Amino acid sequence: DTGVSQDPRHKITKRGQNVTFRCDPISEHNRLYWYRQTLGQGPEFLTYFQNEAQLEKSRLLSDRFSAERPKGSFSTLEIQRTEQGDSAMYLCASSRKGGGETQYFGPGTRLLVL
Amino acid sequence: GQSLEQPSEVTAVEGAIVQINCTYQTSGFYGLSWYQQHDGGAPTFLSYNGLDGLEETGRFSSFLSRSDSYGYLLLQELQMKDSASYFCAVCNTDKLIFGTGTRLQVFP
Repeated sequence: DTGVSQDPRHKITKRGQNVTFRCDPISEHNRLYWYRQTLGQGPEFLTYFQNEAQLEKSRLLSDRFSAERPKGSFSTLEIQRTEQGDSAMYLCASSRKGGGETQYFGPGTRLLVL
Repeated sequence: GQSLEQPSEVTAVEGAIVQINCTYQTSGFYGLSWYQQHDGGAPTFLSYNGLDGLEETGRFSSFLSRSDSYGYLLLQELQMKDSASYFCAVCNTDKLIFGTGTRLQVFP
């Protein structure tokens, strides 16, 4: 069990640029989640996958955000035309099917949009 | 809508017991989870209550009352390393809805 990994750990970009983050879940977990966390707040749910199927996407999520999990293993989160308000920690988590209450989080990708 | 309320900050001394309360209002509810997050770290799972009552895991216990939409996390024999933020999270279908967190500071 190597844990959830995320890459990159830090990303600085200019407003208007596109960014992509990667998450590798725990290998035997078929559920994968993306959250966003800003300072002093709890993680905010963005979307989640069961295997390669995206089962739910937050209604608060802008169309500039898209996530994929093409082979049911790793996932990518892309933000197009970044805005300063996108600056946050982006967390990935994974769990077994039916184990949504027990999620294992990666170290996160900290995004700063200038 | 969905909301979870926790105290923003709690302080205690080493060896003491502290209770962090959580009240929630959600449209869907399967259970209540608790997570710990150290500064700069990732949230880590502590405890889950799917049914009413008390769950005990070492120095940590968690309680749930569905009828009161209320739960708490009890930390006993506090240690300096327990200084962190603690989040309650409603398990809604398969996703977690987190509260804003309680920052616990443990003093020697």
